[in-house]
Amino acid sequence: NAGVTQTPKFRVLKTGQSMTLLCAQDMNHEYMYWYRQDPGMGLRLIHYSVGEGTTAKGEVPDGYNVSRLKKQNFLLGLESAAPSQTSVYFCASAWTSGGDEQYFGPGTRLTVT
Amino acid sequence: RKEVEQDPGPFNVPEGATVAFNCTYSNSASQSFFWYRQDCRKEPKLLMSVYSSGNEDGRFTAQLNRASQYISLLIRDSKLSDSATYLCVENTGTASKLTFGTGTRLQVTL
Repeated sequence: NAGVTQTPKFRVLKTGQSMTLLCAQDMNHEYMYWYRQDPGMGLRLIHYSVGEGTTAKGEVPDGYNVSRLKKQNFLLGLESAAPSQTSVYFCASAWTSGGDEQYFGPGTRLTVT
Repeated sequence: RKEVEQDPGPFNVPEGATVAFNCTYSNSASQSFFWYRQDCRKEPKLLMSVYSSGNEDGRFTAQLNRASQYISLLIRDSKLSDSATYLCVENTGTASKLTFGTGTRLQVTL
């Protein structure tokens, strides 16, 4: 099993450009999450999904959109990138709610200039 | 006030030492708690869950005090490989959403 994978690993964008980050998991998990991690801020939840076809806003959703068309994939989109979106983005998945472990992908390092 | 607060450290300890981290949380309704470990420039990984009765996994012991709303992690006989950032995490019980502390950095030296 590959676990949770993220594409791409690194990306540099110019302000105003758009991009999509892909997260894929092969553990048949229902729940998937997108976080961003900034120095001194800890991980913050951007959006999450409790199943195929569902999405919900997390703590810092502005400037991002997500889609969960297939159970194994969770896409994070930046429509018009801003320097404030420079961060490390982690995707995670979990089997169910109620305290189950979340499994994280290796992260995507995004720089917006 | 942050929902989950940790001392950022760094804690610099010699190999073989015992070190303890504390973490406080503000949401009294939080359902469960965890310690995650994050190595430099890597993804977080679950170290252990935290139970009210306390739990131990080898050299690691976690405790939860609901009355005082704090969580602790004790590491005995520290190894060089324990050097990492330790994240205190709470699960509020809604869609398994986790709230992360900013982490405590541990550096174990020879």
